[in-house]
Amino acid sequence: KAGVTQTPRYLIKTRGQQVTLSCSPISGHRSVSWYQQTPGQGLQFLFEYFSETQRNKGNFPGRFSGRQFSNSRSEMNVSTLELGDSALYLCASSFQASGRSYEQYFGPGTRLTVT
Amino acid sequence: QQPVQSPQAVILREGEDAVINCSSSKALYSVHWYRQKHGEAPVFLMILLKGGEQKGHDKISASFNEKKQQSSLYLTASQLSYSGTYFCGTEYQVTGGGNKLTFGTGTQLKVEL
Repeated sequence: KAGVTQTPRYLIKTRGQQVTLSCSPISGHRSVSWYQQTPGQGLQFLFEYFSETQRNKGNFPGRFSGRQFSNSRSEMNVSTLELGDSALYLCASSFQASGRSYEQYFGPGTRLTVT
Repeated sequence: QQPVQSPQAVILREGEDAVINCSSSKALYSVHWYRQKHGEAPVFLMILLKGGEQKGHDKISASFNEKKQQSSLYLTASQLSYSGTYFCGTEYQVTGGGNKLTFGTGTQLKVEL
């Protein structure tokens, strides 16, 4: 089974620009979560999508948004980039039914550098 | 609230055992454990659910004390391949279900010959 894929792997953007990151989950997985990883803050939850709906949200400003398509692929958008948005953005997919928690499988991440 | 992990770092000789702890100030629904090697994505190790259900790797064990909101990861007979940063991810009962993991700051583990 193919793993979680993320594109692009590396990205350099300028302050004020916007960026879109893409994530393709493992086949059959309907839940996609996004995380931001930085040396100072560690792994922080951004949001989770399930069946094209945002089901959970972390404590990030509205500049961070996402969506999920009918094939479970997900995109994350960051508008008006700030220097502090430089980070590794990880997506994770999991099989989700209801009522219990499932393990997550992470993609390789997108390294975003904002200059 | 971010769970607290201890120790922050540990160095082992191959074959030694280690315990990594994860504590939360809130009642937990589940605890996840992941290992991340430098430059790689986190890899799932273990999940412990409220009520006692567990799922994970054969060579790694963990405990979940629901009353104390604590979990411990036990690494026995460590191998060089165990080196990496270990994260616990805690989950609280969220409305509507789904995943919303809050990760600890990580424990850096290094196994030497």
